[in-house]
Amino acid sequence: GESVGLHLPTLSVQEGDNSIINCAYSNSASDYFIWYKQESGKGPQFIIDIRSNMDKRQGQRVTVLLNKTVKHLSLQIAATQPGDSAVYFCAENREGYGQNFVFGPGTRLSVLP
Amino acid sequence: DSGVTQTPKHLITATGQRVTLRCSPRSGDLSVYWYQQSLDQGLQFLIQYYNGEERAKGNILERFSAQQFPDLHSELNLSSLELGDSALYFCASSVGGGMNTEAFFGQGTRLTVV
Repeated sequence: GESVGLHLPTLSVQEGDNSIINCAYSNSASDYFIWYKQESGKGPQFIIDIRSNMDKRQGQRVTVLLNKTVKHLSLQIAATQPGDSAVYFCAENREGYGQNFVFGPGTRLSVLP
Repeated sequence: DSGVTQTPKHLITATGQRVTLRCSPRSGDLSVYWYQQSLDQGLQFLIQYYNGEERAKGNILERFSAQQFPDLHSELNLSSLELGDSALYFCASSVGGGMNTEAFFGQGTRLTVV
């Protein structure tokens, strides 16, 4: 999959609206998930995590939802701001594998003024 | 600024050559991780060290090797370089080595193989 290349799926939202970014993960044995944000020219930055024994976790302006039945994660960003413009990755892992995360291809979020 | 320092920021080299990428972790962090980010493969975990010892291994080619030194800095060595090795290489560090310890990423080294 692509990461910060030119052909990432792009989500465009108006400033102030809510954003929902989706991710399908691959391994039904995965039990820990992270959303990362990557701004242009920077490394990925941790946003929020969730364990497989939870369906929902909230942070500051962000909420992660986990649906294990269909192996789906979503990241909701409330009141999207220009500073939220970035590429967002989900990552999955399982106990005993250290930081051997498997990353999704990423979604580019573009916030329109 | 994450506190993780990577050098150099950019590197251009020819096929067949060998390069060394360097990473200084955040003060107090014992774990160092290396990742490769390319257009066709996305972000991939390469290898993890914890306090000088290899902890986990991902999709790291045999032409690549890494080590973590007693002062906890790490180096990633890439040899017999191919055009396909052109990518961003990220280092990250964390206090612990488990899966749910937050890792902080450096700004990356952009390697271009020509």
